[in-house]
Amino acid sequence: EDKVVQSPLSLVVHEGDTVTLNCSYEVTNFRSLLWYKQEKKAPTFLFMLTSSGIEKKSGRLSSILDKKELFSILNITATQTGDSAVYLCAVVGNQFYFGTGTSLTVIP
Amino acid sequence: GEEVAQTPKHLVRGEGQKAKLYCAPIKGHSYVFWYQQVLKNEFKFLISFQNENVFDETGMPKERFSAKCLPNSPCSLEIQATKLEDSAVYFCASSQWGPISNQPQHFGDGTRLSIL
Repeated sequence: EDKVVQSPLSLVVHEGDTVTLNCSYEVTNFRSLLWYKQEKKAPTFLFMLTSSGIEKKSGRLSSILDKKELFSILNITATQTGDSAVYLCAVVGNQFYFGTGTSLTVIP
Repeated sequence: GEEVAQTPKHLVRGEGQKAKLYCAPIKGHSYVFWYQQVLKNEFKFLISFQNENVFDETGMPKERFSAKCLPNSPCSLEIQATKLEDSAVYFCASSQWGPISNQPQHFGDGTRLSIL
């Protein structure tokens, strides 16, 4: 059965901390892995990863994929209260498979 | 339009009533996806369309749930004889090409369905 597992389920950190969110998967016909940030409403797209070892970076966020070990990590450095959200990992195989998300709370 | 538009934002129904949700994809996007988010963190795929044709319906419950995407109309998701467990946020997403194209999906703001 295809599945995407994210860890931790929730995380509370202080502003300025660095966090690492994990996403592991078992998906048939893997094509890509995507990270989304969901605040109050629609998930917004962060990164798409298709190749191992190539880091994608956007400001304080970065992500990398390991297709051999079947996981990805999303790093956020110098966290801010505005980073508080649920971070969703989605893997594209024959369809989109979403993980359960990691709920990140950044305390001032 | 430039965004996926879902209506209504919030829908309240009594148990046993019908609920109908609408989604207008981004102009030029051929694929539409419906998801059910029961708890804040759980996203369940329901069905996808390529234009007006069902592309993948492996996530659709066999009973009570139906969906359509007709030409020149918003897509719709309909739930007959709603149950308390149908209470969720239903998200619609669209993409220009299908899953094999490695394009991200763009999400609407969701419709919160509350069954009382």
